[in-house]
Parts: sequence; structure tokens; C-alpha cells
Amino acid sequence: DIVMTQSPDSLAVSLGERATINCKSSQSIFYSSYNKNYLTWYQQKPGQPPKLLIYWASTRESGVPDRFSGSGSGTDFTLTISSLQAEDVAIYYCQQYYSTPVTFGQGTKVEIK
Amino acid sequence: QVQLLESGPGLVKPSETLSLTCTVSGYSISSGYYWGWIRQPPGKGLEWIGSIFHTGTSYFNPSLKSRVTMSVDTSKNQFSVRLSSVTAADTAVYYCARLVAVAGTSGWSWYFDLWGRGTLLTVSS
Repeated sequence: DIVMTQSPDSLAVSLGERATINCKSSQSIFYSSYNKNYLTWYQQKPGQPPKLLIYWASTRESGVPDRFSGSGSGTDFTLTISSLQAEDVAIYYCQQYYSTPVTFGQGTKVEIK
Repeated sequence: QVQLLESGPGLVKPSETLSLTCTVSGYSISSGYYWGWIRQPPGKGLEWIGSIFHTGTSYFNPSLKSRVTMSVDTSKNQFSVRLSSVTAADTAVYYCARLVAVAGTSGWSWYFDLWGRGTLLTVSS
């Protein structure tokens, strides 16, 4: 199975400041045949199900604010919140779908400083 | 608007079989997409359980494969999961979800674009 490791486990950021979350896969999840990185990011607010934010490592889901962006390739990926808002307090998960079983990172908790 | 709603017993005894159903509204499950289940133990991360197409074609996490079955009832627009021989380690919030299927390196793979609200399943005597 591909192991997904996120860092940090938690971070506190001031309102309006940048938040950066990292996700590392145990093997490359770039599929050269399709020239794509098989990675998604989800946001989970307390008491709610996860919500899809980004797929193919950098494509925002419809309706997701453009302060959320994804980057990276191969084994190292980043989710950036360019200007943290109060409603962004949540746990963020990455997930690889390069191979089954699909696997998730352990989550990164984002709080307001 | 597509919505998914899980239903289940809430409490199951150890060694018994849990059964959960997901009812989909606003979209016919026969129209396409894979559908599936993910679980989240209290305070922990997410684990994919399995995926099913409306034809009944299904795929399971190898870690659970020996204990899991899934089924589809297109007449009720529902799909279900059964997990046998449960233990306390199976206590979790169980989510149903709509899956976006993609061609992965080992056949079909998925990410999850719509989720139900989840149902807590506790295993306890």
C-alpha cells in the first residue's frame, strides 16, 4: 500500500496569513501515461464529512475559493491557503488514487493563532 | 441536488455482522459513477472500505476483503455494505460517498466527490 504522510500534524496561523500543509507519498504517484499526479485534498470541519477541495493535485473542485491551491509532483505535494479565514478551521487530508487500496494521510489540523 | 444518507443500527455486538445502507436522492445510481464506503474511527483518519458499480461490480480494501460484502438495489436507489465478525476496532463513523473513477496503475481507482453525513457505528456488548 502507498503510505501518505502529512506534515505538520497541526498548525496555528493568524487570520489573513498563509497556511501550508505538506503531503508525502511513499512512492511516486505521477502516472506518466496520463501526465497526472493522482492526489486529492479534502477539508473536514468538526462534525461534518470531508469535502473535496482539489483533485489531480492542483485542480480546484467547483465552488472552492481560489485562496486554496495545490501543487507538487511525484512524491511531494502542498496545499496552500493563501489568506486564512475563520471558516477554514478544519482538518485537511490528502489521498492518493494512483493505486488501490486508495489511502489517506493522517490529517493536518489548522487553527487560528 | 445529489444527497447521500447513511442508515444503520448504531450499535452492534462483537462477532456479529454490521449492515449499513446508503440512500441516494437527486441522482439515479444506475446512471453512472461508482459508489462506496469510507470509515473513520473516533479521532482518527480515513479508511476506504469498498466501491461498487450499479452492475454489482465491486472492489474492496484487502485489509477488510475477507469480511466485507456490498450490494446495490437500483429499484430503491440504495447501496449497502455488510461487515462480518466485528470487533471494537470496527467502531467508527461510516460514510457513504459518490466516487469519481479513474484509470489507475492497477485498474480502476477513485477519489470521493460527494459524501453522506456519516453514521456512528459502535461495537460493544
